[in-house]
Amino acid sequence: GQNIDQPTEMTATEGAIVQINCTYQTSGFNGLFWYQQHAGEAPTFLSYNVLDGLEEKGRFSSFLSRSKGYSYLLLKELQMKDSASYLCAVLDSNYQLIWGAGTKLIIKP
Amino acid sequence: DVKVTQSSRYLVKRTGEKVFLECVQDMDHENMFWYRQDPGLGLRLIYFSYDVKMKEKGDIPEGYSVSREKKERFSLILESASTNQTSMYLCASKSGTSETDTQYFGPGTRLTVL
Repeated sequence: GQNIDQPTEMTATEGAIVQINCTYQTSGFNGLFWYQQHAGEAPTFLSYNVLDGLEEKGRFSSFLSRSKGYSYLLLKELQMKDSASYLCAVLDSNYQLIWGAGTKLIIKP
Repeated sequence: DVKVTQSSRYLVKRTGEKVFLECVQDMDHENMFWYRQDPGLGLRLIYFSYDVKMKEKGDIPEGYSVSREKKERFSLILESASTNQTSMYLCASKSGTSETDTQYFGPGTRLTVL
């Protein structure tokens, strides 16, 4: 079967760095997405990785290792507004998105 | 900016009622999707459509149907609502230019079936 695993919840301190991991087992791979979802709001796109390595976009970076079936989202200089759920999703061989359950990130002052 | 709107943010219905959830996008996207989101589970695809009048079943189509009469509008229908359909329903759209294009989501409809 297809499976995406993420931690259910993480807590971090304002100004710090946090890494949210995502591991996947899917039938084929055509890329991995990270989305941010604030409580009661729509998911919004953060990043897309299809090649191995790190992609940096401001305070947020996303890493992919296809051989390990692993990705992480790195958030630097955390701000209170970063409190949200972070969703990992993999595009499988049929170009269908398989979603993880999301990681709820709590930022404390 | 892409805008995806959904007809209601909150909806309360009774068991057995017919329920219509409407989704409209303004970016001329070919592809549209309906998901449900439940605590502890990832987004689950109910139906999707890649063109007007075209529809494909997702992972959990039972108890649902859809309609796409116009490109910008994709409707989700619960023929006879049941309590296990209480959930957050999210609509999304995506350009047909590339398979790896981003999906853009509406704000969601939180449906409660009593």
